[in-house]
This record gives sequence, structure tokens and C-alpha cells, in this order.
Amino acid sequence: DAGVTQSPTHLIKTRGQHVTLRCSPISGHKSVSWYQQVLGQGPQFIFQYYEKEERGRGNFPDRFSARQFPNYSSELNVNALLLGDSALYLCASSLGGGRTPQHFGDGTRLSIL
Amino acid sequence: KQEVTQIPAALSVPEGENLVLNCSFTDSAIYNLQWFRQDPGKGLTSLLLIQSSQREQTSGRLNASLDKSSGRSTLYIAASQPGDSATYLCAVIGNQGGKLIFGQGTELSVKP
Repeated sequence: DAGVTQSPTHLIKTRGQHVTLRCSPISGHKSVSWYQQVLGQGPQFIFQYYEKEERGRGNFPDRFSARQFPNYSSELNVNALLLGDSALYLCASSLGGGRTPQHFGDGTRLSIL
Repeated sequence: KQEVTQIPAALSVPEGENLVLNCSFTDSAIYNLQWFRQDPGKGLTSLLLIQSSQREQTSGRLNASLDKSSGRSTLYIAASQPGDSATYLCAVIGNQGGKLIFGQGTELSVKP
């Protein structure tokens, strides 16, 4: 079975632009979470979705938004990009929305120029 | 507010040495604790998961312990190999579930 897949793997944008990152969960998993990992730090929680509803939101500005589709895939959108948004964005999927183990994809490396 | 700290930030050891990585958390009301491995530029690979009711978990040369009352976990790696070189992250999930809270990681380098 395929693991969590994320696209694109790398992305370069300029300040002020908009970006959409995509994530396909493991088959059968109904929850997707997004994390931001700045170089040299641990991942920081951004969003969790379960059964297409937002179940949790981290301390990120409203420029960050996400949604989950009927097939349980997910998109993370970031508007008005800032230099500080440069990071590895990780997606994790799990069977349930609560405390079930999360499985991570390889991430999307976003660079802002 | 839960905070997770990992010490040391970086560690360099010769091949064959046994080593211990440390993780501490401020709120003992956790559901479980996980140790992950991250290779440069890659995602996270789960190594061990310890439920709050457990004291330790073992997988091959890895052993993770959990002491909830003191807010500490250790990851013991036996007979280290150059292939063990990576960043090791610990993360906790609270009783309310949802998000993983990560430490900043320990970057391990095992020299041949």
C-alpha cells in the first residue's frame, strides 16, 4: 500500500504570492494533519481535519487555510507569502481524528524569495 | 501549555558506542509519546510509540522508556552504526488527542 503522498516535493515562490500544497492519505485513513517545520526546529501543528471537518488549529495566522475532500485528500493554502513561511510542510494521516498514530509523508519544501 | 525539550541538540559518537537521547515534557497528562527519525530533507519515520500506561518499548537495537511522573523519556540506541546518523525527534499527544507536540530534535552523527 502507498504511504502518505505529498505534492509538489519542492516549490519556489516570491513574497506576496499564494501557494497550494496537496496531500493524499494512506488508503482507509480519514484524518489528515498539517505541520510546518522550520530548519533546525521540530514540526509545529497547523491543522487537523477528520471526516472533512476541522478538528484542530494551531497558532498560525489566517493566511493559512486548509480543507479536506470527500476522498480524504487535503490541501493546505497559504496566502500573501512571507519570507518566514519558508519551511518543510509535512502532512500526516491517521485512521481516526483523535489519538491514533500519525503517519508522515516526505513533505513539500517551500522556499520564498 | 505542553512544552517538549530534547537534550543534547547535537551528538557525535564513534561507531559501536551505546548512546542515550533525552526528551522531557512539562505536562504529564499525555496519551502517548513517540520517537521519530528524520533524514535530511525527508519526512518522519516512526520508531517507537509508548502508551501512557507503558514503561518502555523495544525494537531491535532501540529501546525507549517513559516516566510520566517525572516528565521524561529516553531513547537508547545500542551498538550505534553510521546508518543511524539522522535527527531524532520525540513528540507527545495529549489526552484530548489531535496534535503532536514535538521537541526540537537531537542531530546524531555516528562516525565510522
